[in-house]
Parts: sequence; C-alpha cells; structure tokens
Amino acid sequence: QSVLTQPPSVSAAPGQKVTISCSGSSSNIGNNYVAWYQQFPGTAPRLLIYENNKRPSGIPDRFSGSKSGTSATLGITGLQTGDEADYYYCGTWDSSLRVWVFGGGTKLTVL
Amino acid sequence: QVQLQESGPGLVKPSETLSLTCTVSGGSINSYYWNWIRQPPGKGVEWIGYMYYSGSTNYNPSLKSRVSISIDASRNQFSLKLSSVTAADTAVYYCARGVYGNRGPSTYYYMDVWGTGTTVTVSS
Repeated sequence: QSVLTQPPSVSAAPGQKVTISCSGSSSNIGNNYVAWYQQFPGTAPRLLIYENNKRPSGIPDRFSGSKSGTSATLGITGLQTGDEADYYYCGTWDSSLRVWVFGGGTKLTVL
Repeated sequence: QVQLQESGPGLVKPSETLSLTCTVSGGSINSYYWNWIRQPPGKGVEWIGYMYYSGSTNYNPSLKSRVSISIDASRNQFSLKLSSVTAADTAVYYCARGVYGNRGPSTYYYMDVWGTGTTVTVSS
C-alpha cells in the first residue's frame, strides 16, 4: 500500500492530452515538492518533473506538473506512442515519516 | 555527465547478506545524497535509504533493522548491505543520486541520475 495514491492506468489517443493524478497528505505533498518519473519496461525510472513543475534538460515541454493542496498532477499533451510507459510515478519527501515516498505507479496506454 | 553503475552478486541465499556497490563516474561523490531503491518483479518502486556524502544516513523504517549504506569516497563508490534476506527481497536494485533542500518550511527531494539496475534473486 503506497503512501501516495495514483490511478493504476490511464489511456488516451495519439495527439490528445492526458493527466495523471497523485494524492497524498499534509505531511508529504501538502508541504513538500513533488517529482515525477517515467519508466519503460526493463529500464530505470527517468526524472520527468522536479520541484512540482520544473523539467530537467532534455524533457520536452509536452510534459508538465502542477500541485494543489495535497494533490499533484502530471500532464502530457500531444500524446505520442513513444509516451506509452509501464509506469509514471509521483514521489515526494514525507516530513512525518522522514522518508522518500512513491506512488504505486500509473500505466499509460496510447490507444 | 554523471553515470551510476550497480554491481554485485545476482543470486543470494536466504538468511544471507545482500551486498551491492554503485560506482559513480563523471562526477564526484563528495556532494549530494546517494540512494538505493528497489523494484520487486511486476511491482512499483520502494525507497531503501540514502547516505549523504558527509556520512549521515536515513533508511526506510520497514527495512531499517537490516540495512546499511556506506560510502568509499576514495573509490567514488557507495554500497548497500541488506541482511537476513528472504524471497521477498528479490528485486531489481537501483542506485540513484539525490538532490535535497529546503525552501522555507517545504522540502524538495528527487533522484535525478539513476543506475541501470541490477537483478538480485534470493533463492537456495
């Protein structure tokens, strides 16, 4: 049971927009910054978004992040078949547990 | 650019100690937070813990009694030891560099560089 809650799967057609939600509490998302990761089969997670809405160099601006209260959202516009990943994870610091916590991961299907 | 590479035995017997090393290349280990994360087959990721280059550590409470992370700055490496392993410890183990800081009351922490991962199977 993950501390952060994500939907198990989302889907959308190529060219469309999709959002992935991540729900937490005041001890994690509510008071700390959120990161998002993308993981393809057989590979390590890759940092997509950090500090809620910043993109590392090389990450296209089709990927965006936002946060409101105790929830965060990853948005992907102009969906491509190459965006279909095993998992998109959210993660943040939990100030009460004093640990890094991840969501359970969301599988994106590009129809 | 900084690269990380895990190494260690792929098979460990139950009740023994799992030992892995992560070699950092293209940058110095004398900064940042150095993490271990694992992913059991078909499941999501689990953070194991970190060591800050200065020596402080922080472990996942669920594993704390069995985990030790250390740094060998002279070799630009950091290591994981997990004792008394069982089949539940079978996973892909990743090392990763962590960035940590505070802005006012809020903390930012994320892993920006990851190793490729190494599979460890616990079996007799």
